Amino acid sequence: DARVTQTPRHKVTEMGQEVTMRCQPILGHNTVFWYRQTMMQGLELLAYFRNRAPLDDSGMPKDRFSAEMPDATLATLKIQPSEPRDSAVYFCASGHPRGGFYEQYFGPGTRLTVT
Amino acid sequence: TQLLEQSPQFLSIQEGENLTVYCNSSSVFSSLQWYRQEPGEGPVLLVTVVTGGEVKKLKRLTFQFGDARKDSSLHITAAQTGDTGLYLCAGDDNQGGKLIFGQGTELSVKP
Repeated sequence: DARVTQTPRHKVTEMGQEVTMRCQPILGHNTVFWYRQTMMQGLELLAYFRNRAPLDDSGMPKDRFSAEMPDATLATLKIQPSEPRDSAVYFCASGHPRGGFYEQYFGPGTRLTVT
Repeated sequence: TQLLEQSPQFLSIQEGENLTVYCNSSSVFSSLQWYRQEPGEGPVLLVTVVTGGEVKKLKRLTFQFGDARKDSSLHITAAQTGDTGLYLCAGDDNQGGKLIFGQGTELSVKP
């Protein structure tokens, strides 16, 4: 049963610290997405990659967030420095083309709390 | 900016009742997906509808895509407590896999 995995599942950190979240997409999926979910804003797209190349990161605060795909099995999302307003659940999803459209499969998320 | 509006935002019903959730937009989507999310987990894909007017059934859940591919509905027959969760619709605006998500409908089914 192929799944997207994310680590860590929970992270509590102090303001100003660096946070790194990791994602292993489903093998064979060529597109990886990073989302942030809060009660107020719902699910927001931060960035996504196709074949490891960044396609769109317009949803990310550029000064503190960065997303990379060092290889096809690993995607990372970094926040430096972290701020309390970054507290949210961060989801990674992977997808593949299917008959002209994409279906996305989500990981379990990383719940980030910045104090 | 494309938007998907879901209604209602919150729904609390008794087990055995029927319900419908709506997802509306002024934009046309090449496909529309429905997800269910349970507390502490990521959204799980339920169905993808592609053709205008298409109807898909998944046990007690019936999904419909509007003829103009701007709206969709999810109907649940004889709801069960296991149907409780956040239901999200998401439209593919044909920009290479990027989805536009609605705000979600929080469904609570009480025994």
